This record gives sequence, C-alpha cells and structure tokens, in this order.
Amino acid sequence: DQQVKQNSPSLSVQEGRISILNCDYTNSMFDYFLWYKKYPAEGPTFLISISSIKDKNEDGRFTVFLNKSAKHLSLHIVPSQPGDSAVYFCASMNRDDKIIFGKGTRLHILP
Amino acid sequence: DTAVSQTPKYLVTQMGNDKSIKCEQNLGHDTMYWYKQDSKKFLKIMFSYNNKELIINETVPNRFSPKSPDKAHLNLHINSLELGDSAVYFCASSRRLGTNTGELFFGEGSRLTVL
Repeated sequence: DQQVKQNSPSLSVQEGRISILNCDYTNSMFDYFLWYKKYPAEGPTFLISISSIKDKNEDGRFTVFLNKSAKHLSLHIVPSQPGDSAVYFCASMNRDDKIIFGKGTRLHILP
Repeated sequence: DTAVSQTPKYLVTQMGNDKSIKCEQNLGHDTMYWYKQDSKKFLKIMFSYNNKELIINETVPNRFSPKSPDKAHLNLHINSLELGDSAVYFCASSRRLGTNTGELFFGEGSRLTVL
C-alpha cells in the first residue's frame, strides 16, 4: 500500500524550460513533505521541504506547492539545467519522524 | 570528509551466509537510519535509532539486526542471506527526533548481491 505515489516514472524537459514533478499522498496526518534528488551510484540528497501548514515554499530555482485538499504536491524547477537530470523522490514525514518515500521520477533535461 | 560513510560499497555473497554493513556519520546527529532500495526502486525504511536507542523497527525479518555502539555508528548485520535480500542499503542520519524537518543525510549506499 503506497502512501506516497509518483505516477510518472520519467519526464523529459528541454533545457531552460520548467520541469514539473508530481506526487500524491494518502495520509492527511503527514507533517512535512520533502523532495530528494538522486544521482546514479550516490545516496539521495535533500532538496526542499514544505510544512503541512503551508502551501508553497521556494528556494532558488526550486518551488514546492502543496494542495492539501487534493493531497497533492509538486516540485517546479525553473529554468531547468543539465545538472538537474536525476531521479527525484517525493517523501513525507509523520509525527514519529518516519519518512516514507515514493518510487521516484527520472528527469531528463534535453539540450 | 564524507559526512555519512558506509562500507562496503559492494558486497557479493552466497545464500545462507552472514554479512555486515557498517555506517558512520561525522555530523554530530543523534538519529540514524537504514533504508533498503529494492529492485522496484522503492526506498523503504527498515530501522531508526536515536542516540543508540531503537525507535523505528519496520516489519523486517529478524535475520536483520541493527547495532548502534554509539550515536555516530549504526551497523546492519544480516544472517542467513536470501536471494530477496539483494538490494541497495542506504544508511542515513538526521538531527534528533522532534527537531527534524525531514532532512536526511544519506550515505552512498551498499549494493548487496546474493547469489
């Protein structure tokens, strides 16, 4: 039973355009929502998070939007750069500090 | 200096053997974790320790035994290895419980192949 779902296994975006990665969740008790980025043969690295009491958080080229009524969050990357090509994991954290990850979306930035 | 380091990076072994993966963090964090990434690419939490105390223990077979000699180390010992144990195992650390906003620091992973 997947509590965090990333329904797109991959996404290709032209360099300079906006990349939008989507994520759905089932448990409305999650405290924080997170995005991690992973390069091959490396561990995931934390990218950005958003508290469940907010609907938007921005950090440079990265913005995360949270729609609690739809139980949906998205990560926007603008402008997309070649170094953004990676696997992006959506994750959620409950009050027990347990972090649950989605399956990941592979983002390809095209030249 | 690597913040979270785990050894070995690759491990190939026969079914039925016992093996260990070691993890160390030099970030001064109180909480450490083991995650498993299986062939379907899901990253699933296995265990977490806070200051040497077991906090999270998911439904993992008891062939898997974590050991935390101090808060900077969390080792994973696996007995009687099975084919289904083949996966990449990631160690991670974070600030202490209750102050963490979800930022985990991961090691590079240890790829275990059971033949």
